[in-house]
Amino acid sequence: GQNIDQPTEMTATEGAIVQINCTYQTSGFNGLFWYQQHAGEAPTFLSYNVLDGLEEKGRFSSFLSRSKGYSYLLLKELQMKDSASYLCAVRGGGRILTGGGNKLTFGTGTQLKVEL
Amino acid sequence: EAGVVQSPRYKIIEKKQPVAFWCNPISGHNTLYWYLQNLGQGPELLIRYENEEAVDDSQLPKDRFSAERLKGVDSTLKIQPAELGDSAVYLCASSLGDSDEQFFGPGTRLTVL
Repeated sequence: GQNIDQPTEMTATEGAIVQINCTYQTSGFNGLFWYQQHAGEAPTFLSYNVLDGLEEKGRFSSFLSRSKGYSYLLLKELQMKDSASYLCAVRGGGRILTGGGNKLTFGTGTQLKVEL
Repeated sequence: EAGVVQSPRYKIIEKKQPVAFWCNPISGHNTLYWYLQNLGQGPELLIRYENEEAVDDSQLPKDRFSAERLKGVDSTLKIQPAELGDSAVYLCASSLGDSDEQFFGPGTRLTVL
């Protein structure tokens, strides 16, 4: 199975940088995803890491350390519209015999509030 | 290109009543997922389809929940009878294959009174 931990809430200032951490314990690992979800809307894909290191995409970067079971999402030049929930999700660890080898397990999400 | 479409967006029913949700995935996506999301929680997988075959339904409460994807495109998720604890957002997602990025629909917010 999977166990995923991320902070419940964070607050940051417009224009600043924020780092959202995610730790996981898993019986199988096949990649880590970050999704953004605004209130009342669908989760939208932000980033994907399967190898150790940093993936950069514009104002968003995501880091993975498989040996430490650790990832973070880095948001630069924060904007008010970045206020949302950020979901860490780990793929793998499901029961392979029942087709769950690529199952995506989500954390509870980190609610980010960006203030002026 | 249209994204994942779900209907209805909102549904309010009394307990013990049946309810059904509909999902139309992105065209060409073979894999379809149904998730349940409670307030303040991440989505939890209920069932995954590869074309018309349910390949992972281990998390689906089969005593009251059922799902189908008869022609390998649209899917319906049904609850009969609904209980108070079923109040949640039901998300549908699709992907080209089960190892590809998942695209989520807007969800159906169910309230059971």
